Amino acid sequence: SQTIHQWPATLVQPVGSPLSLECTVEGTSNPNLYWYRQAAGRGLQLLFYSVGIGQISSEVPQNLSASRPQDRQFILSSKKLLLSDSGFYLCAWTRLAGAQETQYFGPGTRLLVL
Amino acid sequence: AQSVTQLGSHVSVSEGALVLLRCNYSSSVPPYLFWYVQYPNQGLQLLLKYTTGATLVKGINGFEAEFKKSETSFHLTKPSAHMSDAAEYFCAVSYTGSQGNLIFGKGTKLSVKP
Repeated sequence: SQTIHQWPATLVQPVGSPLSLECTVEGTSNPNLYWYRQAAGRGLQLLFYSVGIGQISSEVPQNLSASRPQDRQFILSSKKLLLSDSGFYLCAWTRLAGAQETQYFGPGTRLLVL
Repeated sequence: AQSVTQLGSHVSVSEGALVLLRCNYSSSVPPYLFWYVQYPNQGLQLLLKYTTGATLVKGINGFEAEFKKSETSFHLTKPSAHMSDAAEYFCAVSYTGSQGNLIFGKGTKLSVKP
């Protein structure tokens, strides 16, 4: 069966520090991968998605970036964190690139920027 | 632009009472529709989805939703609430050609009173 992992589970970082969040999927190959941010009272916002290694699409301009160095690995990064980057970051995957496909979510990383 | 509106950020019901969580979307093209549930500090889990066919969709944990095109709605219901249903519920839509990118509502937090 397929599983999705995210780490770390929680993170407290000072403003201006770098960030690296990791997401990995097991039990499938060539998944579509997604990064979402959930901020209080604002629902979920799609940040990035990837249909393959090295292929990243950005939905929202910001100081975050994403990379997909391996088929089942998706990394969210920042060179300098802002206070507004605080939130709950969720990674998700789908088997196929289709609008009717179910997205399967990881457990999330809670980031607090101080 | 497409959007999803969930009426009521908080809904409180008594155990055994009907649960009704509202979701409306704005779009000129038919969407695919999803309901996800999120328990505290966890990722999202799919409750049910509508892609094609029967407009009344049954999901897990006794929930169901009906797609009403004329009302652009996809309300979630459960005949009898259980304490374990207390969680946050998200309605989401996607569209053909969108690479499966989900547009989420802001969520409705459901409380169940004993």
